[in-house]
Amino acid sequence: DGGITQSPKYLFRKEGQNVTLSCEQNLNHDAMYWYRQDPGQGLRLIYYSQIVNDFQKGDIAEGYSVSREKKESFPLTVTSAQKNPTAFYLCASSMGPAGREQYFGPGTRLTVT
Amino acid sequence: AQSVAQPEDQVNVAEGNPLTVKCTYSVSGNPYLFWYVQYPNRGLQFLLKYITGDNLVKGSYGFEAEFNKSQTSFHLKKPSALVSDSALYFCAVRDSGTSYGKLTFGQGTILTVHP
Repeated sequence: DGGITQSPKYLFRKEGQNVTLSCEQNLNHDAMYWYRQDPGQGLRLIYYSQIVNDFQKGDIAEGYSVSREKKESFPLTVTSAQKNPTAFYLCASSMGPAGREQYFGPGTRLTVT
Repeated sequence: AQSVAQPEDQVNVAEGNPLTVKCTYSVSGNPYLFWYVQYPNRGLQFLLKYITGDNLVKGSYGFEAEFNKSQTSFHLKKPSALVSDSALYFCAVRDSGTSYGKLTFGQGTILTVHP
C-alpha cells in the first residue's frame, strides 16, 4: 500500500449524515484520486486533483465533495445527497503526467444504514 | 472515450500451470496500459505497465503482459501459477491524449489457483 494512508479502515454512519474519509500521502506526488469500488463494477473515479487547490469531477461526483489544501492530503466527504454511499473507497496518487502508475491506499469501507 | 473489457469474471487454473487473464481496450489515441492486483479488503497493487517500446512487458511477482495493437489486447500472463496468486486482477487504460491521469478500469477478473 506504499506511502498512502486512509483512515479509518471501517466506517459506519446513519443515513442523512455527512462523513469525511481521510487520505494522506508522503510520496510527494502531485496528483491524487478518489475511486469507489462496488462488487462487479471495477473502480469508478469520483474526483481527482492534479495540484494543490485544484480538483476536477470524475465520472460519479454527484453527492461527493473534496478539498486539496495541502499536497499531502485529499479528504473526501460523502454527503447525504449521495443516494447509495455504502461502498469501498480507494484513494490513489501518482507522480506527474503521462504514463505514471497510480499507487493506492488500503481503502475505507463505508457502511451507511 | 476510453474503455476496458475483461471478458472473464473468473479464471481457474491449477498450481504450476500457466495462467492468462484477458484484457481488451479501446482508446482513440495511443494507450497506456496497466495491470493491478487486489487482495481481499486491500488496496490495489501495481503489477506492470505498457507505455511504449517492447510489446512484452515484465512486472512484479513473475507476471508479464503482451501488448497487441492489432487486437487491442493486453493479456496478463504467468508461466507457472502459485496458490498465492489467487486474487482479483484489474486491467486499466489511459489514452495518452486524455487529461491528466484519468484511468479507466475493467470490471476485474477473479483468479483462483488450485493446489
